Amino acid sequence: SQTIHQWPATLVQPVGSPLSLECTVEGTSNPNLYWYRQAAGRGLQLLFYSVGIGQISSEVPQNLSASRPQDRQFILSSKKLLLSDSGFYLCAWSLAQAKSSTDTQYFGPGTRLTVL
Amino acid sequence: DAKTTQPPSMDCAEGRAANLPCNHSTISGNEYVYWYRQIHSQGPQYIIHGLKNNETNEMASLIITEDRKSSTLILPHATLRDTAVYYCIAMGLRNTPLVFGKGTRLSVIA
Repeated sequence: SQTIHQWPATLVQPVGSPLSLECTVEGTSNPNLYWYRQAAGRGLQLLFYSVGIGQISSEVPQNLSASRPQDRQFILSSKKLLLSDSGFYLCAWSLAQAKSSTDTQYFGPGTRLTVL
Repeated sequence: DAKTTQPPSMDCAEGRAANLPCNHSTISGNEYVYWYRQIHSQGPQYIIHGLKNNETNEMASLIITEDRKSSTLILPHATLRDTAVYYCIAMGLRNTPLVFGKGTRLSVIA
């Protein structure tokens, strides 16, 4: 069976510091990978998605970036955090070769980031 | 993707069936109805999805009206652990982002 991991679970960082959040998926090959952010009391906002190694699509221009150095590894980074970067960051995966015309996304446990 | 409308909150007695409605009157023919839930401070959990026919799995049943303009998620025997925010989503093409609305906050009461 497939599992998705995220770390760290919680993080408190000062404004202007760098950020690196990691997501890994086990039990599947060449998954689609997604980074979402959920601000307090709000819905999910897609930040990045990737359909393969080195292939990253950005949905929202901001001071965040994403990389996919390995097939099942997805990293979210920032060089300088802003107060507005606080939120719950969620990684998700889906099967790239789904038989149906739609595919189901499965979420990780999330990382709660507080920028002070 | 089609917009969905859900009641903001519902209560359900423990052990009873929880019926969560969702309106998606603008859903297109190739859009699936997906249900997720999010327990406080956890990542969203996939529950079930369907296109036209009713669906059932180990977690829940999904009833979709014949005109596909609305659906109902049924938790047959709600437990306290089912307390969560439930999201109904209409999703079409693969590799597209999920758009979560505000969902329905279900409170299961002992």
